Amino acid sequence: NAGVTQTPKFQVLKTGQSMTLQCAQDMNHEYMSWYRQDPGMGLRLIHYSVGAGITDQGEVPNGYNVSRSTTEDFPLRLLSAAPSQTSVYFCASSYRWPGLAGGSSYNEQFFGPGTRLTVL
Amino acid sequence: GQQLNQSPQSMFIQEGEDVSMNCTSSSIFNTWLWYKQDPGEGPVLLIALYKAGELTSNGRLTAQFGITRKDSFLNISASIPSDVGIYFCAGPPLSGNTGKLIFGQGTTLQVKP
Repeated sequence: NAGVTQTPKFQVLKTGQSMTLQCAQDMNHEYMSWYRQDPGMGLRLIHYSVGAGITDQGEVPNGYNVSRSTTEDFPLRLLSAAPSQTSVYFCASSYRWPGLAGGSSYNEQFFGPGTRLTVL
Repeated sequence: GQQLNQSPQSMFIQEGEDVSMNCTSSSIFNTWLWYKQDPGEGPVLLIALYKAGELTSNGRLTAQFGITRKDSFLNISASIPSDVGIYFCAGPPLSGNTGKLIFGQGTTLQVKP
C-alpha cells in the first residue's frame, strides 16, 4: 500500500491564481480530511468527507472547495489564492472518524506527507 | 469555538530525562488522541484514549485521560534523540458525531544528546 499520497510537495502561486492539491489513498478508507498547519497554531480542519459524495466544512473552510467523487481521491481546490493561504497542507484518512466513541484501530487516522504552499 | 491548550509550548531537555506535557479544554471530551510530528512529515498517532481515567502505554510513552474529561497528559520516559518533534493532542468537539477534530497548538520537544 502507498498509504496517503499528496501532490505536489511544494507549490508557489501568485495571488489570484487557482490550483488543486491532490490527495489519494489506497486503503479503502471512508473518512478523509484536509488540514492546514501554521506556526504556533497546530492543525486546523478545512474540509472533511465521511464517504464518496459526502463532504462538509471544518473550522477554516473559506477560500477552499472539495469534492469526493471516489473513495480514493479527495482533492482540495483553491479558487483564487491569497497570501493568507500560505501554509502546509495535510490530507488524512481513516476507515472511520477518529473521534468516534468506543474507539478501535479502524479509527486510526493516517496523514500524508504534506504540501508546502506559498502564495506571493 | 472549542480550543485545546497544550503546555508547555516547547521543551529542551537532556537525553535520558523524563518528559511531561498536558492538554486542557474548557469543555468535556469523549476522546483524546496524541500525535507526534517528525520534522517535515505528517503527524502519526501515538495513543488514543476513549474512557475517563484510562491510562495507556505505548513503549516509553504513557498517556492518561483525565477524570474530569477536560484534560489529558502524555509522559515520555528516558527520552532519546529520536523523540524530537512536535506532539499534538486532538479530540472531537462535543456536538455528536460531527466528523470534526480539533488539535492543540502542539508541544515542541528538543532533546540534547
